[in-house]
Parts: sequence; C-alpha cells; structure tokens
Amino acid sequence: EIVLTQSPGTLSLSPGERATLSCRASQTVPGSFLAWYQQRPGQAPRLVIYDTFTRATGIPDRFSGSGSGTDFALTISGLEPEDFGVYYCQQYGDSPPYTFGQGTRLEI
Amino acid sequence: QVQLLQSGPEMKRPGASVKISCKTSGYPFSNHYMHWVRQAPGQGLAWMAIINPSGGFTSYAQNLQGRITVTRDTSTSTVYMELSNLRDEDTAVYFCARRSLRSGAFDVWGQGTMVIVSP
Repeated sequence: EIVLTQSPGTLSLSPGERATLSCRASQTVPGSFLAWYQQRPGQAPRLVIYDTFTRATGIPDRFSGSGSGTDFALTISGLEPEDFGVYYCQQYGDSPPYTFGQGTRLEI
Repeated sequence: QVQLLQSGPEMKRPGASVKISCKTSGYPFSNHYMHWVRQAPGQGLAWMAIINPSGGFTSYAQNLQGRITVTRDTSTSTVYMELSNLRDEDTAVYFCARRSLRSGAFDVWGQGTMVIVSP
C-alpha cells in the first residue's frame, strides 16, 4: 500500500499570497496518477487536480500541480478567500487501495 | 447534470448492519466505476471499496474484508454499500464517488451519509 504524507499540517496565509502544499509518497506513484481534492467544512470533497498536472473542470488557473515519482505539490497562486479548506492528495494507481494523504488545512 | 444522491443519516447499535444507497443520474450508469470513501469525525478520507457497475466486480479495503458488501442495481442506476457488525469506529460520513473516464480520479461525489454507531 502506498502511504501519502502531506505537509504542512496547517497553512495560514493572506489573500493574494502563494500556497504550496506538499505530498510525499512511500513509493513511486504509478503513472503519476495523483490527484488533489479540496474539502470545505460540511461538504463533500471536490476534485481540483488529476494526473498530477491537469486542472479539473471549473478549477481556476491559479491552481497548479507538479511533481513526479514520490514528490508532488499543489500550488495556489494569488489566494482567494474561497480557497480555504482541507486539501487531500490521493493516488489512484493501477490497483486498490487508492490511498489519501492525511490532509493540509489551508486557512486564509 | 451528473448527480449522486445518497440516502439519509442512520443511527445504529453496535453489531447491527447499515445499507446506504447512492442513486446516480445524468450519465450512463454502466460506464463509470463507483467508489465508497468514508470520513470519521475530524479525520481524513479513507478509501473503502470499488464496484464496476457493468459486471458487478468489486474490490474492498483489506481492513473491511468480510464486513462490507457493495452491490448495484442497473435498473435504477443505484449503487449500495452495506457494512455489517458495526463498531463505534464505523461512525463516519460515507461518500460515494464516481471514477472519471478521463483519468482514475474521483470526479463527482455524493453529498455524504452520516452513520452514527452508538449503544
């Protein structure tokens, strides 16, 4: 099973600043099949980035994904108030289990 | 539009079973695998299971083997998740989530179903 470790646990930033969230895997993520989800309180997660780099439908271009192998990152440039929430990385390689990181809380 | 509509909250005693439904609409039901994910209070997301709605093939998280059963009804485009022998630690919000055709990511999520296990 691939274990994903996210850092930092909490990130407190101001509107307009840049946020960089990290996700490290215990072994190479096959096919760079890594996604990022945003979850606001009381809501279901929302897909933000898939296949490491690709923005999901409706996601603004201030969100970008990067990385390969075992190290991945989500960058949000020019934070907006609606970007707050908990962000989870997830790997969805060839076969289950499809593991999630423990999350990074982004406070604006 | 694409929707996953889950059944309502449940309260169960330890040892009981719960069955949650996820009714899909807005897309060809058999084209997309469906996952179940749960989230204990204040905790992160944990993958539970996947089903291929076309053939019914399933795969379960190892820690739930023997207690979880995921099924589907193609006539109503609905996926079900049943968890038996409930324990306190099964208290969580349970989500169904559709697997994207474009990638393997989870592109559409249900609204979640709260299950409370309490004596």
